[in-house]
Amino acid sequence: NAGVTQTPKFRILKIGQSMTLQCTQDMNHNYMYWYRQDPGMGLKLIYYSVGAGITDKGEVPNGYNVSRSTTEDFPLRLELAAPSQTSVYFCASSPRGDYGYTFGSGTRLTVV
Amino acid sequence: GDSVTQMEGPVTLSEEAFLTINCTYTATGYPSLFWYVQYPGEGLQLLLKATKADDKGSNKGFEATYRKETTSFHLEKGSVQVSDSAVYFCALSLTTDSWGKLQFGAGTQVVVTP
Repeated sequence: NAGVTQTPKFRILKIGQSMTLQCTQDMNHNYMYWYRQDPGMGLKLIYYSVGAGITDKGEVPNGYNVSRSTTEDFPLRLELAAPSQTSVYFCASSPRGDYGYTFGSGTRLTVV
Repeated sequence: GDSVTQMEGPVTLSEEAFLTINCTYTATGYPSLFWYVQYPGEGLQLLLKATKADDKGSNKGFEATYRKETTSFHLEKGSVQVSDSAVYFCALSLTTDSWGKLQFGAGTQVVVTP
């Protein structure tokens, strides 16, 4: 079982560039989430989705966008990269609320 | 709003020592509580969970009991190994909705030396 797959694992972006972080899960989970992890700060929720076509903002959505056209895929888009977006990004999925998450291995993004 | 507070790290201990990581929470309702573990260079893995007061979650020798009276969910292990070196996160499910959103603590790094 692949679980949750994130690509790329590492990326360096220049200020103002755009990119999409990919996230795919093969467990048929309805709920999917994007978090960012900054040193000593825990994880902050960026966006989440409760099913195909349904997304909503989390705690720190500014500068990001998402879409959910299928159950499997939940890409995260950065439109105009800024140094403040330097972080490790994790995608996670869950079959329902309160069940707990399966996390991907993360994308380490540096904006210079 | 709902929040989680964990003890600061790093926690450094010798192999076979007893480990406790404190976690307390603030919530307006009755959240589910989780412990996740993150090994170096990897994503987080669910270690254990408890969904109601007095529940005990356990896995891989780790235990935590949901204490509503003290709003705590402390993680314990009786005899740690070098392989337990990792960052441990306490989390709660937000009580304001049912979409499974989690609030994480800042994480506690544990270093076990031989």
